[in-house]
Amino acid sequence: AQKITQTQPGMFVQEKEAVTLDCTYDTSDQSYGLFWYKQPSSGEMIFLIYQGSYDEQNATEGRYSLNFQKARKSANLVISASQLGDSAMYFCAMRPTDNYGQNFVFGPGTRLSVLP
Amino acid sequence: GAVVSQHPSWVICKSGTSVKIECRSLDFQATTMFWYRQFPKQSLMLMATSNEGSKATYEQGVEKDKFLINHASLTLSTLTVTSAHPEDSSFYICSAMSADYGEPGQFFGPGTRLTVL
Repeated sequence: AQKITQTQPGMFVQEKEAVTLDCTYDTSDQSYGLFWYKQPSSGEMIFLIYQGSYDEQNATEGRYSLNFQKARKSANLVISASQLGDSAMYFCAMRPTDNYGQNFVFGPGTRLSVLP
Repeated sequence: GAVVSQHPSWVICKSGTSVKIECRSLDFQATTMFWYRQFPKQSLMLMATSNEGSKATYEQGVEKDKFLINHASLTLSTLTVTSAHPEDSSFYICSAMSADYGEPGQFFGPGTRLTVL
């Protein structure tokens, strides 16, 4: 079984500063993917970044980077230069990568508030 | 590419009525779609896996007779909430699977907010 833990129910960050959202996971799969999604108040799920379990380099996507530490089973999201529009719920998720037919397993989420 | 739509985006209905929610993959074919449910301030929980041309697979604790899923074509899956009650009020989100666009491999619809009075 897969499990995602996000220990920060809420986080505050000052505009233009960087913030790290924590995510740890547990899985028995050898090949898996780790994902981060942003969910604004509108409810849509916005895909931010992906990290494969066999990728040696940390993924980056614009202001988003994923700090992947496989031995510690952590996949923290780092947002640099926070903007007011970054205020939203953030979900860490995982899925086996050898089977697209498997659903995502989501963590409980972290609500990020960016302060002006 | 990889656009998924849901209709309606929000619906209000009376207790005891049935509501149908549509999930469409607009520019790709999806043999597998997923239905998730999200209560306020909570995470997404998988309700069922919808496979084209076959019966849906429901997660433990989800009533298949209450949440009817039909995946009649490669671009459409529907979720019908039968005899809806206030406790069924929730945000319902579908996702459609495609291996043609790389990761994330599944693409979410915008969601449907259901309120049962």
